Amino acid sequence: KQEVTQIPAALSVPEGENLVLNCSFTDSAIYNLQWFRQDPGKGLTSLLLIQSSQREQTSGRLNASLDKSSGRSTLYIAASQPGDSATYLCAVKSRPRQETSGSRLTFGEGTQLTVNP
Amino acid sequence: KAGVTQTPRYLIKTRGQQVTLSCSPISGHRSVSWYQQTPGQGLQFLFEYFSETQRNKGNFPGRFSGRQFSNSRSEMNVSTLELGDSALYLCASSGDSLTNEKLFFGSGTQLSVL
Repeated sequence: KQEVTQIPAALSVPEGENLVLNCSFTDSAIYNLQWFRQDPGKGLTSLLLIQSSQREQTSGRLNASLDKSSGRSTLYIAASQPGDSATYLCAVKSRPRQETSGSRLTFGEGTQLTVNP
Repeated sequence: KAGVTQTPRYLIKTRGQQVTLSCSPISGHRSVSWYQQTPGQGLQFLFEYFSETQRNKGNFPGRFSGRQFSNSRSEMNVSTLELGDSALYLCASSGDSLTNEKLFFGSGTQLSVL
């Protein structure tokens, strides 16, 4: 059974700081890993998706890496801004045991980020 | 292109009642998944529908059920509501979950059971 862990659970940083969020997973048989952002009471916004064959993906100030063999991913946020304050969720899409059984995302508990002006 | 649309946005029910939530996926998407989010359990997978067939199911009791229509719209039903069913219910769509596509989520339905 896939398990996803995110560290730290909460992080508070001053504006302008670079930061790293960590995600680990137990089963390396994955399609991909996706990082999401969630604002309070809202749905999830996809930030980056890394396929199992890829090592990293970049979008603006965000960079996500994937080391499938060690079961780890990091999300790097450069020059953080107050608008980055949100909960960041890591989710792994696992390969199903049978091709007819579909797939699912397994989520970590999230890292609640606060960027102080 | 319109995103994933969930209705209603908020619901208040009492114990024992039943509820139906609706999800309209992104146009052209055939896979719809449902997730429950609570402060204690985080995001938990409920089930996935693809081309009107339930293809995958999480570890939830039979009170939780769903269906998908020929236009890919999906509904989720919870019968005999319990206090613990209070949660944010999120729907996600993709072309096919068995690919490397992103999942796109709706804004969710916040269900409160009193």
